[in-house]
Amino acid sequence: QQKVQQSPESLSVPEGGMASLNCTSSDRNFQYFWWYRQHSGEGPKALMSIFSDGDKKEGRFTAHLNKASLHVSLHIRDSQPSDSALYFCAASDTSNTNKVVFGTGTRLQVLP
Amino acid sequence: GPKVLQIPSHQIIDMGQMVTLNCDPVSNHLYFYWYKQILGQQMEFLVNFYNGKVMEKSKLFKDQFSVERPDGSYFTLKIQPTALEDSAVYFCASSSGTHAETLYFGSGTRLTVL
Repeated sequence: QQKVQQSPESLSVPEGGMASLNCTSSDRNFQYFWWYRQHSGEGPKALMSIFSDGDKKEGRFTAHLNKASLHVSLHIRDSQPSDSALYFCAASDTSNTNKVVFGTGTRLQVLP
Repeated sequence: GPKVLQIPSHQIIDMGQMVTLNCDPVSNHLYFYWYKQILGQQMEFLVNFYNGKVMEKSKLFKDQFSVERPDGSYFTLKIQPTALEDSAVYFCASSSGTHAETLYFGSGTRLTVL
């Protein structure tokens, strides 16, 4: 039973376009969320965190969190070929074990 | 940014042998993690570690797996004996604190069990 589901599995957008990635949790204990990006041959790297309901913008990236619906999204505007990567949503709860669970991943391809 | 170093980058071993994967976490970090990734897909949580102890482990963390960080040196994942299904890329990560802290990942060790 996967606690963090992402959609779509894969996504292609033209250069300069908008990419929208979605993440839904099945565990209401998750309170802290991140988006990570993984380029081929590398480890994941954090893009941004979001802990409060609403929007959080960092440059071309905007995350949105709705804790009531357990939904997190990431929107990438003016997508660049260098944004082509595997994107993970990650979540952590308030227990004292510090476990961080990663979602199923979305593979983004930005076409020049 | 903060760097996590993983050694070796590739390891090929025969089934049944022992393997140790090494991780040099960010210097002031206190929490350490191992994740398993197969075929560039999902990052599966294996275990996390703090203050010399395992905090939580998943079902993937079989009895053949163990972790330690003796005297502040490398944080290691040992598999003894290895099985074919252990072939994967193993990622180490570290963070500075609890709950709301970002994980910093190494570049992974690709383990191939023949």
